Amino acid sequence: SQQGEEDPQALSIQEGENATMNCSYKTSINNLQWYRQNSGRGLVHLILIRSNEREKHSGRLRVTLDTSKKSSSLLITASRAADTASYFCATSYSGGYQKVTFGTGTKLQVIP
Amino acid sequence: DTAVSQTPKYLVTQMGNDKSIKCEQNLGHDTMYWYKQDSKKFLKIMFSYNNKELIINETVPNRFSPKSPDKAHLNLHINSLELGDSAVYFCASSQVSGHPYGYTFGSGTRLTVV
Repeated sequence: SQQGEEDPQALSIQEGENATMNCSYKTSINNLQWYRQNSGRGLVHLILIRSNEREKHSGRLRVTLDTSKKSSSLLITASRAADTASYFCATSYSGGYQKVTFGTGTKLQVIP
Repeated sequence: DTAVSQTPKYLVTQMGNDKSIKCEQNLGHDTMYWYKQDSKKFLKIMFSYNNKELIINETVPNRFSPKSPDKAHLNLHINSLELGDSAVYFCASSQVSGHPYGYTFGSGTRLTVV
């Protein structure tokens, strides 16, 4: 079954506002990753946070991880129209070779 | 350019045909994957190869057969195509050994079965 569930499914904000997306998962993980997918394109890796990390930053992106609640959030600050895309969380869990399972995605629209 | 490249980008074919999708990565990664993305954007892993060895083989009809001639290539052959096979198929690669990072995806192959 699907490992990650994103919330909300869709989000529409004005340019300059912050966007927050949440991801919940079910089993223990090694790491959690966030990806962006522009319409009609492949997925682009944004950031990876390990299970022993609580927060990570990359440019305008901030990711938090709460393993006790089995949840993560992705914050995009000062959003731009170019941030319009679908965002997926992906979890890699224990058990031999890395197997990454993707969530259902959040569709973000940033209105200029 | 360093990348994961897959061909063709679009594939329209009739039911019952056999088709192949090719994937190549020049990143030196040791592991390659095939994912299927359906119309609701749900991404499901199909296969994974590590150094030419099949390591992940999810519940996929045996009409789908991956082939990895070397660690830089992973092809997907589909026999007797069905309408339900219509989807976007993504190839990806990663370096599993050492420091895990993330996947690098190809741009996808949109398969339409008519």
